[in-house]
Amino acid sequence: DIQMTQSPSTLSTSIGDRVTITCRASQSISTWLAWYQQKPGKAPKVLIYKASTLESGVPSRFSGSGSGTEFTLTISSLQPDDFATYYCQQYNDYSPAFGQGTKVEIK
Amino acid sequence: EVQLLESGGGLVQPGGSLRLSCAASGFTFSNYVMTWVRQAPGKGLEWVSSISSSGSTTYYADSVKGRFTISRDNSKNTLYLQLNSLRAQDTAVYYCAKDDSNSVAFCDYWGQGTLVTVSS
Repeated sequence: DIQMTQSPSTLSTSIGDRVTITCRASQSISTWLAWYQQKPGKAPKVLIYKASTLESGVPSRFSGSGSGTEFTLTISSLQPDDFATYYCQQYNDYSPAFGQGTKVEIK
Repeated sequence: EVQLLESGGGLVQPGGSLRLSCAASGFTFSNYVMTWVRQAPGKGLEWVSSISSSGSTTYYADSVKGRFTISRDNSKNTLYLQLNSLRAQDTAVYYCAKDDSNSVAFCDYWGQGTLVTVSS
């Protein structure tokens, strides 16, 4: 099975900061990667799919890049609504694993 | 508007069984792969199982294979997850989710989740 590893696990940051989260796959997944945002007590929400395609309605400050085994989610200028936990997920095979999550918190 | 409404969660003893349901509306249910994802308290997301649009093909995480059964009734627009031989580590919020296509993909819509607690 493909394993997904995110870093860092926690990110302490401030409003207006540029934020980068990394996700690594244990083998190549081409660009079959999605990013989700989850707030406490709520279901996850997809932000990006196919590594770099922004889901409809998601603010343009979110962007994704990468292919093969290394991927990044970038928030260009962190807003108050962005404090949440972010997960990557590969869907290259029929066991679509998630990363362990990155919590973005207020410094 | 796409809506996914889970039900059937609750408290069950170790070794017990439970059947979760997910009522779908707002899209052509029979055209999409459907998925269950769970989240243990304070932990991350774990993919549990997916089922093809017709229901003929199913996929399971190793942690639930042989104990959980996913199924769907396209005439009722409903997804199911039968949970047997439950263990304490199965305690989690279980989310029903719609895949983006008729192949296993990312999940573009999610339900609100139903809590399963396995405890004596």
